[in-house]
Amino acid sequence: DTAVSQTPKYLVTQMGNDKSIKCEQNLGHDTMYWYKQDSKKFLKIMFSYNNKELIINETVPNRFSPKSPDKAHLNLHINSLELGDSAVYFCASSHARTSGSYEQYFGPGTRLTVT
Amino acid sequence: AQSVTQLDSHVSVSEGTPVLLRCNYSSSYSPSLFWYVQHPNKGLQLLLKYTSAATLVKGINGFEAEFKKSETSFHLTKPSAHMSDAAEYFCVVSAPHGQNFVFGPGTRLSVLP
Repeated sequence: DTAVSQTPKYLVTQMGNDKSIKCEQNLGHDTMYWYKQDSKKFLKIMFSYNNKELIINETVPNRFSPKSPDKAHLNLHINSLELGDSAVYFCASSHARTSGSYEQYFGPGTRLTVT
Repeated sequence: AQSVTQLDSHVSVSEGTPVLLRCNYSSSYSPSLFWYVQHPNKGLQLLLKYTSAATLVKGINGFEAEFKKSETSFHLTKPSAHMSDAAEYFCVVSAPHGQNFVFGPGTRLSVLP
């Protein structure tokens, strides 16, 4: 069974459109994350949610909005897509920071291409 | 604040020879350290982690890393490279209890036949 899954795997869209990427984890974790990997493979955290509450919100344009309907899901909605949004987006999850076992488990990534 | 430096952007080794991927970190706290591997067009997989227990950490697929506080290093090694080890490797530092994962820029490992 897939531990952290993302849909879609590939997303090609035009500038100005609005799109969503979905993430689900079946590991029983209570913290979930979104990362952006640029064309040089550099990974940067965008958001972190713990028990459906936003705990990290890095400097990300407000066109990006995470939504967590429950502990197992963290979706990423992007408004008014721009060329610079083209990247691979990774979802990850972990146990709570106080658990002593907080390594992050990553999904397979969503490659977003904005034309 | 934490930061990670991976000294080599690309390492090339022959199959069967040792692998050394270098990582140095900076942290205001006693850090937790991780190595992840990313195969082409795949997600990231945890290789190993250091969380203030034994300084020599063994991971999956024959990899290990040694935490050296005096050198602020956490280099990844493997005695004998396999073709399937060709991938991108990321060193990660976090504050205690996993706050703020900070990724290094990555090292691409090529394994030559």
